[in-house]
Amino acid sequence: GEDVEQSLFLSVREGDSSVINCTYTDSSSTYLYWYKQEPGAGLQLLTYIFSNMDMKQDQRLTVLLNKKDKHLSLRIADTQTGDSAIYFCAENLSGGYNKLIFGAGTRLAVHP
Amino acid sequence: DGGITQSPKYLFRKEGQNVTLSCEQNLNHDAMYWYRQDPGQGLRLIYYSQIVNDFQKGDIAEGYSVSREKKESFPLTVTSAQKNPTAFYLCASSFPGLLTDTQYFGPGTRLTVL
Repeated sequence: GEDVEQSLFLSVREGDSSVINCTYTDSSSTYLYWYKQEPGAGLQLLTYIFSNMDMKQDQRLTVLLNKKDKHLSLRIADTQTGDSAIYFCAENLSGGYNKLIFGAGTRLAVHP
Repeated sequence: DGGITQSPKYLFRKEGQNVTLSCEQNLNHDAMYWYRQDPGQGLRLIYYSQIVNDFQKGDIAEGYSVSREKKESFPLTVTSAQKNPTAFYLCASSFPGLLTDTQYFGPGTRLTVL
């Protein structure tokens, strides 16, 4: 079935790297996305990766994709307090309209 | 500025009342979506529309209705038939002509049923 799984909570020290992990189920997904949600706000697109790529880097963000294991990760370098938020992984199911399946979100807490 | 607006930010409703949530976008996107978010869960799709005057049910459409009379607007009505309507509602839009067809989200409306 359709399912995207994420760990629910991650705590890191300011300045360290954060790694948020995600597993998905549809091997034919075209794109995989990372969204950020701050308290009481909508979802902000952080980055996405095309399924034929292994890695994508965008400033402090690095996305790694392991298609064999259906595993996606988001690494945030030099994590800051402003990075505290919920991070959602989403896969784009193939066929028809652009249906996104979201994970439950990982709450990132950054402490001094 | 281009973007998606949702109003109101907070909405309170008595049981048995219908309520309509507004979603407007000026991104010239063809597709629009409504999601529901509950604490500790991912987003679940209520309805989507790929073009004006057409819309389709998502995974949890029961108790909701929509219309798409204009490209810019996709209002969601939460009817009294929705048994547990208290939630955070998010509207999104995308441009299917682009390869990525990335969805962009509005700021959300928090609905509380009293």
